Amino acid sequence: SQQGEEDPQALSIQEGENATMNCSYKTSINNLQWYRQNSGRGLVHLILIRSNEREKHSGRLRVTLDTSKKSSSLLITASRAADTASYFCATGRTGGSYIPTFGRGTSLIVHP
Amino acid sequence: GAVVSQHPSWVICKSGTSVKIECRSLDFQATTMFWYRQFPKQSLMLMATSNEGSKATYEQGVEKDKFLINHASLTLSTLTVTSAHPEDSSFYICSARDTRRSYNEQFFGPGTRLTVL
Repeated sequence: SQQGEEDPQALSIQEGENATMNCSYKTSINNLQWYRQNSGRGLVHLILIRSNEREKHSGRLRVTLDTSKKSSSLLITASRAADTASYFCATGRTGGSYIPTFGRGTSLIVHP
Repeated sequence: GAVVSQHPSWVICKSGTSVKIECRSLDFQATTMFWYRQFPKQSLMLMATSNEGSKATYEQGVEKDKFLINHASLTLSTLTVTSAHPEDSSFYICSARDTRRSYNEQFFGPGTRLTVL
């Protein structure tokens, strides 16, 4: 079964606005990763946040992690049309070696 | 960052034929590679975990005789879709774990679009 579930499924905003996507998961994790996928392409790793971290920044990206609520959020500030893509969170499956499992993703459209 | 390539990027084949997809880690060694498939507007579904020098571990519901995986070297894994049928049409993505990195970061290939007529 899928571990991470993103919310909302789709998000449409204007360029310059901020975009927030959420991810909820079910079991304990060591870390959580966010990926981006442009239409018909492979995934690009955006950011990894460890279970002992609460917030992490990378450029215009800000990720938070709340292990008590089993949730994470990805904030893209000052969005650009080029940010249009699907965004997935991935968490490691419990037990054994780390194997990321993905949610359905959030489809983000940024209108110029 | 680490680069993973896939070949071919797209393939169209007739029903009943077999198709081989290659996944290569270009600048790092990957003892473990993963194969996913993705249907339109869906998530990535893990098909199998490929370990160099050993048999692949398949996820429940994935036919190992239909999706043959070979991981013969630290930089190459192949997925062969045998006797392909239209329902096998999908986007196949591989990923590789860089064994030098400690936090399980994975690098994904660009994907292969398979269309079975």
